Amino acid sequence: EAQVTQNPRYLITVTGKKLTVTCSQNMNHEYMSWYRQDPGLGLRQIYYSMNVEVTDKGDVPEGYKVSRKEKRNFPLILESPSPNQTSLYFCASSLSPGLNSPLHFGNGTRLTVT
Amino acid sequence: AQKVTQAQTEISVVEKEDVTLDCVYETRDTTYYLFWYKQPPSGELVFLIRRNSFDEQNEISGRYSWNFQKSTSSFNFTITASQVVDSAVYFCALSVLGGLTGANNLFFGTGTRLTVIP
Repeated sequence: EAQVTQNPRYLITVTGKKLTVTCSQNMNHEYMSWYRQDPGLGLRQIYYSMNVEVTDKGDVPEGYKVSRKEKRNFPLILESPSPNQTSLYFCASSLSPGLNSPLHFGNGTRLTVT
Repeated sequence: AQKVTQAQTEISVVEKEDVTLDCVYETRDTTYYLFWYKQPPSGELVFLIRRNSFDEQNEISGRYSWNFQKSTSSFNFTITASQVVDSAVYFCALSVLGGLTGANNLFFGTGTRLTVIP
């Protein structure tokens, strides 16, 4: 089944403790992206990647890192999480970075930083 | 700057009523795409439709229809004969080229929560 898989679904952590949210897609998609969803703000892009070893900042990259060493994986790294990073995170992928490629989303990771 | 506005935060309708979700966008790009996504209570985001900036034809898919009007920068979504399963948050999104790499950049509205009452 074609899908984008994020893990974990739920994560509670403390300020400053490094964490990684994994994202994997099995559709051989070139383009991958991370979003965070916050009430009243919709979804905002954190980082995106056009292909292996090619990443770029989105609208809200501060406090996050990403890597794209393999085509299928695009982990999101929080080196020193803070409470303002408590949010619902979505990983997404599309066949190409073109304008018309619809994004396929993972099921989300709800992160709470205390 | 790109912006998508969904002025309706929450809408409640009774089952079988028609409902229209509004979406207004801003961009200076001449080439762009518009999307609608559905987020049911389970939380996932489901792609519904895309429309490019050069195609102003309305589209109908079953009970769903979309009205794209460039003159008013709107891309409204109508559900006919609503059902309880339509209850969800609906997001409108705008895609333009962005970043140094020229990849698409998707800008989302803040979403409209639709509740269909049985």
